Amino acid sequence: KAGVTQTPRYLIKTRGQQVTLSCSPISGHRSVSWYQQTPGQGLQFLFEYFSETQRNKGNFPGRFSGRQFSNSRSEMNVSTLELGDSALYLCASSLADSFNEQFFGPGTRLTVL
Amino acid sequence: AQSVTQLGSHVSVSEGALVLLRCNYSSSVPPYLFWYVQYPNQGLQLLLKYTSAATLVKGINGFEAEFKKSETSFHLTKPSAHMSDAAEYFCAVITDKLIFGTGTRLQVFP
Repeated sequence: KAGVTQTPRYLIKTRGQQVTLSCSPISGHRSVSWYQQTPGQGLQFLFEYFSETQRNKGNFPGRFSGRQFSNSRSEMNVSTLELGDSALYLCASSLADSFNEQFFGPGTRLTVL
Repeated sequence: AQSVTQLGSHVSVSEGALVLLRCNYSSSVPPYLFWYVQYPNQGLQLLLKYTSAATLVKGINGFEAEFKKSETSFHLTKPSAHMSDAAEYFCAVITDKLIFGTGTRLQVFP
């Protein structure tokens, strides 16, 4: 069974631009969660989607948004990029809810110049 | 609110030595606890999880962790370190989302 895939793996943007990251969960998994990882703040929860609905949200500004499609694939969008948005963005999928084991993708490394 | 605290941001051991990575949790209810490992330029991989079934949990790659309610701890151990164990390790607790500790970077010297 294929694992969680994330595209692109690396991305370079400039301040003020927007970016869209994609995540394809493991087949059969309906829950997708997103995390931001930075050296300063560590791993922080962004949001979780289940059956195309946002089920939970972390403490991030409204510039960070996401969605989930009927095939469980998910995208997250960051608008008006800031230097501080430079991070590794990790996606994780699980069967039904977040209490199940979450399987992580390799991440998208975003650099904002 | 539930949280985890990892003591020691860096741990160095010699190959063959005992690995001990510390994690303490804060929770008013029995927690679900996890240990994840992250190798360079990769995502996180689950090592083991505690879901109240047994206090000693065995995971992959020879790692295990013991849940001690009296000490609110869930330390990760491995009897004999291998060079391939060098990575960053995260303890996490789950509420309605995964809450991670700050991580411990393990270095293994030959």
